Amino acid sequence: QLHLQESGPGLVKPSETLSLICSVSGDSITSNNYYWGWIRQPPGKGLEWIGTVYNSGDTFYNPSLKSRLTMSVDTSRNQFSLNLSSVTAADTAIYYCARPLTNHYFDLWGRGTLVTVSS
Amino acid sequence: EIVLTQSPGTLSLSPGERATLSCRSSQSVRNNYLAWYQQKPGQAPRLLIYGASSRATGIPDRFSGSGSGTDFILTISRLEPEDFAVYYCQQYGNSRTFGQGTKVEIK
Repeated sequence: QLHLQESGPGLVKPSETLSLICSVSGDSITSNNYYWGWIRQPPGKGLEWIGTVYNSGDTFYNPSLKSRLTMSVDTSRNQFSLNLSSVTAADTAIYYCARPLTNHYFDLWGRGTLVTVSS
Repeated sequence: EIVLTQSPGTLSLSPGERATLSCRSSQSVRNNYLAWYQQKPGQAPRLLIYGASSRATGIPDRFSGSGSGTDFILTISRLEPEDFAVYYCQQYGNSRTFGQGTKVEIK
């Protein structure tokens, strides 16, 4: 059974880059032509789609974050990653990695990791 | 950007009652590409409905989705204690956006 697990620093300083990894277990990240994505949720607020990446490296980003965002897949480690540059307090959130089935709806989610932006 | 507006913000009901949640889109959702999720405190969201009306694997049949174009509904026919949670809609017809959520709380 496929399982997703987020990892990365829980605290990032303003203006620095937020970097997270999602480790995929239970199957190869390249099997079945899956896409992989990130969603975030500020504490006590709603969900925001960040972006989606395909095994080929093709990416689909939220236009509001696109200028600061980089996503990639590491097939050798069965992981995919998120880098969000020039962070501010507004980027404080729980970050979820998830699988968008056929690049559409999210049928599988990690447990999420809280990232706080603060000096 | 497509904006999804969910109503009401909070729904206060008793177990056994019927819940009707609304999701209205600022533009027509292509191919009715709309999903619903349930989120409980401290947990990740769980997919309930996709394609406006198709239940995800393992979702009880008391959950149903309907609607098309700009107006969509999630219905929970008889609320069970475990159904009290926050519900989000998401469109995937044009980029991806989520509604702001509806909280279903115990009356």
